[in-house]
Amino acid sequence: EAQVTQNPRYLITVTGKKLTVTCSQNMNHEYMSWYRQDPGLGLRQIYYSMNVEVTDKGDVPEGYKVSRKEKRNFPLILESPSPNQTSLYFCASSGLASTGELFFGEGSRLTVL
Amino acid sequence: KNEVEQSPQNLTAQEGEFITINCSYSVGISALHWLQQHPGGGIVSLFMLSSGKKKHGRLIATINIQEKHSSLHITASHPRDSAVYICAVRRVGAPYSGAGSYQLTFGKGTKLSVIP
Repeated sequence: EAQVTQNPRYLITVTGKKLTVTCSQNMNHEYMSWYRQDPGLGLRQIYYSMNVEVTDKGDVPEGYKVSRKEKRNFPLILESPSPNQTSLYFCASSGLASTGELFFGEGSRLTVL
Repeated sequence: KNEVEQSPQNLTAQEGEFITINCSYSVGISALHWLQQHPGGGIVSLFMLSSGKKKHGRLIATINIQEKHSSLHITASHPRDSAVYICAVRRVGAPYSGAGSYQLTFGKGTKLSVIP
């Protein structure tokens, strides 16, 4: 089954404690991206990657890092989380040569205390 | 002013009604996505458009590049269509890495409630 898998789905952490949210897709997609969703602000793009070892900033990259060492994985790293990073995070992927349909993960709800 | 504006913000319809959700944008784009988010939070891609019109079942999406406007229509609406509908544009812009740009900017969504 074609899917994008995020882990963890729920996490409560404390300020400053490094964490990684993983994202994996099994569709051999070139494009992968991270978004955060906040009430009143909607979805905003954090980082995206067009292929292995190629990453670019979205609209809200501050406080986040990403890497794309393998085509299937695109982890989101919060080196020193702060309360303003409390949010619902989504990962998505797309095959650039196909219909361009975006496939989303189920979301990861992160709370930083 | 937001680069992507959706209207209306909220919409309540009776089952069977024809529904239109609008999306206007102010930036250059290469494509536009329509997404659906159900109350459980999951997001599903409905359409990607770069021109013209697409139809899938009871859903129709159109885009007018010159007017920078897209519409999502739902015919014969049903309570299971109740969800938030989100418009997202793929912006044309200088890529940082030279590999092409896929910067997405989202509208704030339209919350649709279809009453039986």
